[in-house]
Amino acid sequence: QKEVEQNSGPLSVPEGAIASLNCTYSDRGSQSFFWYRQYSGKSPELIMFIYSNGDKEDGRFTAQLNKASQYVSLLIRDSQPSDSATYLCAVIVTGRRALTFGSGTRLQVQP
Amino acid sequence: GAVVSQHPSWVICKSGTSVKIECRSLDFQATTMFWYRQFPKQSLMLMATSNEGSKATYEQGVEKDKFLINHASLTLSTLTVTSAHPEDSSFYICSGADLAKNIQYFGAGTRLSVL
Repeated sequence: QKEVEQNSGPLSVPEGAIASLNCTYSDRGSQSFFWYRQYSGKSPELIMFIYSNGDKEDGRFTAQLNKASQYVSLLIRDSQPSDSATYLCAVIVTGRRALTFGSGTRLQVQP
Repeated sequence: GAVVSQHPSWVICKSGTSVKIECRSLDFQATTMFWYRQFPKQSLMLMATSNEGSKATYEQGVEKDKFLINHASLTLSTLTVTSAHPEDSSFYICSGADLAKNIQYFGAGTRLSVL
């Protein structure tokens, strides 16, 4: 079982819709969770981090964490074509300082 | 967010040569920096953890004698790919850890092509 799992996609949504990206992780002791956006050929850009159960909102982005289910998600409201990118879920696994990444979900927002 | 500067952004070299990549944290002190590698259509894979003033910690399968890491100051870590071969061609990305915020900020990455 991979430590961090994501559906590779592509996830295709129309412009203006809500995009929902999901991630599960295997280490129950993990405490820190991150969403990065990566455009093709570029390095990852931090979008959100979340440490506590529940929702965290920042502009059009909402991160949701459910530690009991070992599940973290990212919602993007009013999706724009410029949101089209690969979204990487990352976790700091117990006993490590580095990020462990999922394989990423490619999002396509159709104009 | 904090700024991590990485250069060069792109390098082409001949097989057998060495390439040095620099990673600088510009507005915070990064006692720990991480080096990742990303092959096409794959996710980032950690290569090593760079600790200021001490030896780097390498992930399993990463040759420490081939990928030399130096972290001589709180703001600079370097990765030297020695005797590069075509299979080393990849996208190398560093990150600086702002431990106060428990957040990692990434450099822009270096695309290495070994001919």
